[in-house]
Amino acid sequence: DSGVTQTPKHLITATGQRVTLRCSPRSGDLSVYWYQQSLDQGLQFLIQYYNGEERAKGNILERFSAQQFPDLHSELNLSSLELGDSALYFCASSVAPTGNYEQYFGPGTRLTVT
Amino acid sequence: QQQVKQSPQSLIVQKGGISIINCAYENTAFDYFPWYQQFPGKGPALLIAIRPDVSEKKEGRFTISFNKSAKQFSLHIMDSQPGDSATYFCAARGGSGNTGKLIFGQGTTLQVKP
Repeated sequence: DSGVTQTPKHLITATGQRVTLRCSPRSGDLSVYWYQQSLDQGLQFLIQYYNGEERAKGNILERFSAQQFPDLHSELNLSSLELGDSALYFCASSVAPTGNYEQYFGPGTRLTVT
Repeated sequence: QQQVKQSPQSLIVQKGGISIINCAYENTAFDYFPWYQQFPGKGPALLIAIRPDVSEKKEGRFTISFNKSAKQFSLHIMDSQPGDSATYFCAARGGSGNTGKLIFGQGTTLQVKP
């Protein structure tokens, strides 16, 4: 158990809908990262927050957004869902973005868009 | 420049053998190179990591070898066991912006035969 929690574990929804994925980082970790894992694209970085502020963006679609709240939990919002958004979404956390701080991954949310 | 190339895509090893997975990168600004192990339906779990100022790091049966001049690093699993059967990902952190985001290789599926 990495100490990173994600809910829900599974999510099945229809095209065009909007969903919210939630992540709670490990105690003491200020930085939260979101990654998408699909069979064709592998593990791709989406977005990072550090202590409530957006720090970096990767290949994140405009239909996707995220935020980190004062209690440091983070939410990833996916809207106007398409079949191709079906994937595993992982949250990871670390104490800080740099230095000798490892990133620990949560168990993921499996999103199925039908 | 942001890519990490991993090989082989799949690997079959006999129990007790040595498993070797290789990765190569281009961006010399990467400052941290972790390896993750992932079992089906689970999140990636940090296995071992190395910084570019170290040529080798060993933790139990797992060893990372790092060749800074060749921009390559590899994971060696000694005395491979059936329980090691999983997908392994190399990654690199850093690059522009000092964000902490990880760039992942495409993964290697390891099967250890009893």
